[in-house]
Amino acid sequence: QSVLTQPPSVSAAPGQTVTISCSGSSSNIGNKDASWYQQLPGTAPKLLIYDNDKRPSGIPDRFSGSKSGTSATLGITGLETGDEADYYCGTWDTSLSAWVFGGGTKLTVL
Amino acid sequence: EVQLVESGGGLVQPGRSLRLSCTTAEFTFGHYAMSWLRQAPGKGLEWVAFINSKPYGGTTAYAASVKGRFTISRDDSKSIAFLQMNSLKAEDTAVYYCTTAGYYGNNYQFDFWGQGTLVTVSS
Repeated sequence: QSVLTQPPSVSAAPGQTVTISCSGSSSNIGNKDASWYQQLPGTAPKLLIYDNDKRPSGIPDRFSGSKSGTSATLGITGLETGDEADYYCGTWDTSLSAWVFGGGTKLTVL
Repeated sequence: EVQLVESGGGLVQPGRSLRLSCTTAEFTFGHYAMSWLRQAPGKGLEWVAFINSKPYGGTTAYAASVKGRFTISRDDSKSIAFLQMNSLKAEDTAVYYCTTAGYYGNNYQFDFWGQGTLVTVSS
């Protein structure tokens, strides 16, 4: 059971928009910045969003992040087949004194 | 972009030890905090260990599941980070990733990742 809760899977058609939620608590997302990681099939994860809503250099602006209270959300617009991947949210948990992640969300672009 | 390369993985018997290495050609290695994360087969990400840069005290932190068995260290003169893993258990079987940990906003976040090295603990 992961500390952060994500939906196991989401799907949408090419060109559409999808959102992935990440629910936590006051000891993690509630007071620490969240980040999102994209793991394409057979590859290492990659930082996608940091500091809740910032994109590293090279990440298209089709990807966006937001945070409200104890939840974070990843948004992807203009879906492409190349976006099919597992997406993880993560942050530091002050009660556990550990970085925690969601269980991951598998995105399927139909 | 920082390139990280892990090595040292392999098949090891339960109870034995293994040391993973993470090398980089990044000449400012000493300025980076480093971390190890792992991913068991078919499972999600799990943070394992963290070591801060020497200017920030070189402090370390561990996940509860490995505390007392694993040790993270660094040799800034050689731009290498290590993960010494002792008393290995079957549940330590995973791909181990080395990452840099950049401080953004109010939190460290894992900004550059290596390709991973597989550790299999089995008799």
